[in-house]
Amino acid sequence: EAQVTQNPRYLITVTGKKLTVTCSQNMNHEYMSWYRQDPGLGLRQIYYSMNVEVTDKGDVPEGYKVSRKEKRNFPLILESPSPNQTSLYFCASRPVGADEQFFGPGTRLTVL
Amino acid sequence: GENVEQHPSTLSVQEGDSAVIKCTYSDSASNYFPWYKQELGKRPQLIIDIRSNVGEKKDQRIAVTLNKTAKHFSLHITETQPEDSAVYFCASLWNFGNEKLTFGTGTRLTIIP
Repeated sequence: EAQVTQNPRYLITVTGKKLTVTCSQNMNHEYMSWYRQDPGLGLRQIYYSMNVEVTDKGDVPEGYKVSRKEKRNFPLILESPSPNQTSLYFCASRPVGADEQFFGPGTRLTVL
Repeated sequence: GENVEQHPSTLSVQEGDSAVIKCTYSDSASNYFPWYKQELGKRPQLIIDIRSNVGEKKDQRIAVTLNKTAKHFSLHITETQPEDSAVYFCASLWNFGNEKLTFGTGTRLTIIP
């Protein structure tokens, strides 16, 4: 089944404890993105990648890192999480030549 | 950077009536405008989209119109049904050389039976 997967789906952590949210797609898509969703603010793009080893900042990259060492994986890294990073995170992918983004199921992160 | 404004933030309509949600964008280079529906606890799902070289697109009860001169686009849902209740997001993308997708802040649509 063609899909975007994210792990974990739910995470409660404490301030300063490094964490990684994984994103994987099995559709051979070139483009991948991370978004955070907060009430009243919609979805805001954190980082995106146009292919392996090609990443760029979105609108809210502060406090996040990403890597794209393989085409299928695009992990989101929070090296020192803070409470203002408590949010719902979505990963998405799309192929070159198509417009529709395929979203993962979301990861709800709480930083205490 | 691009800025997308979406109105209204909440909308209640009687079942069977029409609903209209409006968005404006700031970057005249944006060339792709999708609309997403998000049900509670679920991921956003694309319901309709339009490219900048088209003025209107329709898919059954859903239509999108685009006015490039005024830089605004609208979602129209006719003959609304209870299952249309959800949060709707507009977005804009300039997809030549980057992948920056900017979303509106969302409209919570409630269909009153």
